Amino acid sequence: AQSVTQPDIHITVSEGASLELRCNYSYGATPYLFWYVQSPGQGLQLLLKYFSGDTLVQGIKGFEAEFKRSQSSFNLRKPSVHWSDAAEYFCAVGGRGGSGNTGKLIFGQGTTLQVKP
Amino acid sequence: EAGVTQSPTHLIKTRGQQATLRCSPISGHTSVYWYQQALGLGLQFLLWYDEGEERNRGNFPPRFSGRQFPNYSSELNVNALELEDSALYLCASSPHGGRGETQYFGPGTRLLVL
Repeated sequence: AQSVTQPDIHITVSEGASLELRCNYSYGATPYLFWYVQSPGQGLQLLLKYFSGDTLVQGIKGFEAEFKRSQSSFNLRKPSVHWSDAAEYFCAVGGRGGSGNTGKLIFGQGTTLQVKP
Repeated sequence: EAGVTQSPTHLIKTRGQQATLRCSPISGHTSVYWYQQALGLGLQFLLWYDEGEERNRGNFPPRFSGRQFPNYSSELNVNALELEDSALYLCASSPHGGRGETQYFGPGTRLLVL
């Protein structure tokens, strides 16, 4: 079954510290991979995406993610966290498999990031 | 460029009533997607419309339905509301509905069923 796992429900980091949010997926083929961020009461904003090519992807707000096929992972990183990064982060996969285009994104349960001053 | 817009922002209904949620995609986008974000259940895919046709639906009962209009805006209807329908409903759009296209999300409609 297709699924996305974000092992960390809640993470707290100090402002200025580095950040890594984990994402593991289960999918029949190499999926399209996305990271979105959601601030309280808001919709989802796309941070970055992986379709093909270079496995290290750069996104907005200084975020990057690395696709590791062997580990079925797509972890999100930021070298120095700012207080404004406090939000909920979602990893998602979309299909490119032989079953056709379902249009569906499968989301992980999300990781809530708290930033300490 | 205007993003995806949704209305209303908040909606309060009682059990058994019907709710109608609206979504306007980014200009030029033909595909609209609906997701439900319920507490404890995460983000669940509801429906996908493209070029006026329903292309796919998630694992939701038939009382969740919708349509897409010729201007590509979309409407989600939830009939016979139940308490567990309380959630944030997010609409997203993409350019053509092609495989792997980025979906751009609106701010959502928060539905509360009493």
